[in-house]
Amino acid sequence: QVQLVQSAGGVVQPGGSLRLSCAVSGFTVSDSGIHWIRQLPGKGLEWVAFLRYDGINKEYADSVQGRFTISRDNSRNTVYLQMHSLTVEDTAVYYCAKDRDNWNDGDFDYWGQGTLVTVSS
Amino acid sequence: EIVLTQSPATLSLSPGERATLSCRASQSVRSFLAWYQQKPGQAPRLLVYDASNRATGIPARFNGSGSGTDFTLTISSLEPEDFALYYCQQRNLWPPLTFGPGTRLDIK
Repeated sequence: QVQLVQSAGGVVQPGGSLRLSCAVSGFTVSDSGIHWIRQLPGKGLEWVAFLRYDGINKEYADSVQGRFTISRDNSRNTVYLQMHSLTVEDTAVYYCAKDRDNWNDGDFDYWGQGTLVTVSS
Repeated sequence: EIVLTQSPATLSLSPGERATLSCRASQSVRSFLAWYQQKPGQAPRLLVYDASNRATGIPARFNGSGSGTDFTLTISSLEPEDFALYYCQQRNLWPPLTFGPGTRLDIK
C-alpha cells in the first residue's frame, strides 16, 4: 500500500528556514521520482520541485530556485524539502507526491496529506 | 511557461446529471494532460492521465478526452461524492509543471 506521510509544518519568521520531510512506504524513493507541490491559502496548485528516481536530476520552480533544495535519504525512504530565505509568499500547504511513471515523468499518482507552512512575523 | 485555463470557474449541477469541464492550454501539450479532483481538506487525487487514461481505481463515469490545446473531463452521471474542485495539469513542457486554476463543481 503506497503511503506518503509528511512531517508537521510550522510557523517561521520571514527570512527563516524550515525542512519538510516526506516518508514513503509501499515503494522506495530510489525507484521513483518525488515532487513537492504547494497550495496557497484558498488558491490553486503550484509545482515547486522534483527529484528524479536517479537521485541526481532535480528541477525547481523559478520562484524557489536557489532557496529550496530537494533531497532524499534512501536508508530512511524519505524525501526532504529544505527551505531557506522564506517570505510571506511561501505560506502554503505543501504536498509531496509520487511521480506516476519514471519514463514519462511529470504527473502525480499518490500524494501526502499536506503540511501547512506559515511565514509570519 | 504553458498556461492552462479552465472553464467554467463554477459549475452547478444536480446528482445524476452530466458534467463537462474544459481545460485549454496556451500552446500544444500533445496528450500530456492530467485531471485531479480535490475535496476540502484533502490532497488532490489523480483521475485521468495522458488526456484519456483513467488512473487506478477511478470509476468509469470519469472520462477524459482531447489533444493539443483543448481537453475535456466528462462525468457521465454525477454522484454526491463528485462535487469537488477539479484541476487540469500539463507535463508536456517543463519545468515548470503547471496547473489550471480549477473548476468548482457544486450541487445545484
